[in-house]
Amino acid sequence: GIQVEQSPPDLILQEGANSTLRCNFSDSVNNLQWFHQNPWGQLINLFYIPSGTKQNGRLSATTVATERYSLLYISSSQTTDSGVYFCAVEKYNFNKFYFGSGTKLNVKP
Amino acid sequence: SAVISQKPSRDICQRGTSLTIQCQVDSQVTMMFWYRQQPGQSLTLIATANQGSEATYESGFVIDKFPISRPNLTFSTLTVSNMSPEDSSIYLCSVVPSGGLPYEQYFGPGTRLTVT
Repeated sequence: GIQVEQSPPDLILQEGANSTLRCNFSDSVNNLQWFHQNPWGQLINLFYIPSGTKQNGRLSATTVATERYSLLYISSSQTTDSGVYFCAVEKYNFNKFYFGSGTKLNVKP
Repeated sequence: SAVISQKPSRDICQRGTSLTIQCQVDSQVTMMFWYRQQPGQSLTLIATANQGSEATYESGFVIDKFPISRPNLTFSTLTVSNMSPEDSSIYLCSVVPSGGLPYEQYFGPGTRLTVT
């Protein structure tokens, strides 16, 4: 399978701060998604981003497929951003996703 | 996208019993998956639920322990059999909607299982 590594594993921020989360993967992929798991366990789709850059409000993501990594940027963090952020990749024709171990974010007021 | 519901949302079960979890989608989907998330851990794929045929299980998961059904393109069940406390986890259903690209995965709200 594909190895997916996320860093940092834990992150504590003061409200209003910015952060960058990283996802490295061990093989070429044709699909990459970022998810936010809220404290109630629900997984929310943030980005479908196999390559390039996307922005959605205070969040943006960049994937450099040739170098096998993706970055998730959170600006002006809020307490509601707390939770675990997962990166998941899928290799063409495998039809299944491999998840990283996640980054646990705690935003303090 | 897709709207996914799971039943039950949570349950507390005794060891040795079985629990069946249902996953219902509001539209036909290409792929359906079942994941397990143990406390404080990432998601682990249990199996791909195949419509009209046996599920495809990942290494470490067997049909006798986790039988799966998928009678149509909008519904699937996962049974956790002969449960032990080690089966205490969140079980999540996910889908990839039909219609080609993007191959984007969506998750149900999960079933939080505690085995005593």
